[in-house]
Amino acid sequence: NAGVTQTPKFRVLKTGQSMTLLCAQDMNHEYMYWYRQDPGMGLRLIHYSVGEGTTAKGEVPDGYNVSRLKKQNFLLGLESAAPSQTSVYFCASVSGRSYNEQFFGPGTRLTVL
Amino acid sequence: DAKTTQPPSMDCAEGRAANLPCNHSTISGNEYVYWYRQIHSQGPQYIIHGLKNNETNEMASLIITEDRKSSTLILPHATLRDTAVYYCIVRVAVRGTSGSRLTFGEGTQLTVNP
Repeated sequence: NAGVTQTPKFRVLKTGQSMTLLCAQDMNHEYMYWYRQDPGMGLRLIHYSVGEGTTAKGEVPDGYNVSRLKKQNFLLGLESAAPSQTSVYFCASVSGRSYNEQFFGPGTRLTVL
Repeated sequence: DAKTTQPPSMDCAEGRAANLPCNHSTISGNEYVYWYRQIHSQGPQYIIHGLKNNETNEMASLIITEDRKSSTLILPHATLRDTAVYYCIVRVAVRGTSGSRLTFGEGTQLTVNP
């Protein structure tokens, strides 16, 4: 099992550009999450999904959109990137049967100039 | 979800036990205590969780006070690789619209010294 993978690992954008971050999991997990982590801070939840075709807002959803068209994939989109979105983005997933352990990906480091 | 309070940093000597405290005085009866850690620049890693009984696994032990207002994560024989930020999180472990979401604070930076 690859677990949770994220693509890309690093990216530099200019203000106003758009991009999509891909999260994939091969554990057949129902729940998936996108977090962001700014320097010296804990993770903050952006959006999450409790199943294929469903998404919900987390703590800091503004400026982001998500889609869960397939159970194994959770996409995070930035339509018009801003410097305030410079951060490390982590994806996570958890089984709907044993929702105790969230499995995290390695992160995507995004810089918006 | 209940708020948690952790010391910002702690030090421990290699080979000794590391005891990381967490205060959660407003915890509700159906909220669990979870511990995760984050080694530099990596994604967080689940360690252990519990409701009211003490728990132990291959990584650590979790001691929850009888009134459940505080807990302690114990790493019995800390190694240099245990240097990380440790997060104590309390939440209700139910499925549904909340999606079993976690709320991370700033955690405790544990430094294990040789």
